[in-house]
Amino acid sequence: GAVVSQHPSWVICKSGTSVKIECRSLDFQATTMFWYRQFPKQSLMLMATSNEGSKATYEQGVEKDKFLINHASLTLSTLTVTSAHPEDSSFYICSADRGPLETQYFGPGTRLLVL
Amino acid sequence: AQSVTQLDSQVPVFEEAPVELRCNYSSSVSVYLFWYVQYPNQGLQLLLKYLSGSTLVKGINGFEAEFNKSQTSFHLRKPSVHISDTAEYFCAVSDLGQGAQKLVFGQGTRLTINP
Repeated sequence: GAVVSQHPSWVICKSGTSVKIECRSLDFQATTMFWYRQFPKQSLMLMATSNEGSKATYEQGVEKDKFLINHASLTLSTLTVTSAHPEDSSFYICSADRGPLETQYFGPGTRLLVL
Repeated sequence: AQSVTQLDSQVPVFEEAPVELRCNYSSSVSVYLFWYVQYPNQGLQLLLKYLSGSTLVKGINGFEAEFNKSQTSFHLRKPSVHISDTAEYFCAVSDLGQGAQKLVFGQGTRLTINP
């Protein structure tokens, strides 16, 4: 149990386009979902935390108009990178938990390459 | 605010040798501690976690870690490694506050197992 999926696993897009990444909890209802960004050979940096039906809470330095997060249901959160630029190229990973103080379960990640 | 320092960015080890990956944390409050493993181009998988109780925590794949409050450390160990243990390992900390459990990750340690 506790499987989190992400789609797509790979995406290549042109500069200026928008890209949507989906994160789904497949066998549990996620109270909270988290979005992380990981640059090559670096650690994960938390971008935002989202709860179903409410606005996401963004970490300092993360542009909320650039990275739109929608948490439409207890099993689905989406991250939209708007007007993507090459510097947005990165590995994006989501995670989900069942409730406060619960373990986070991570998705397999989405690699974004902006040309 | 919490911070995590993984003292070694890379650790090369021969197969069947023991290994220790070091992790120190800084926090003004009590914390939960985690070790995650990341295989290439994948998300993170939980190895083990310390929430409370016994300071020696056993996880999956033969790994264990010991929480040392006085030294603010949570080092990961395995008595005999296998080629398949080659991966990136992340130590993470989360405070015991209520609500969404934000994880702060260390920089990661790349464990390379040589035959």
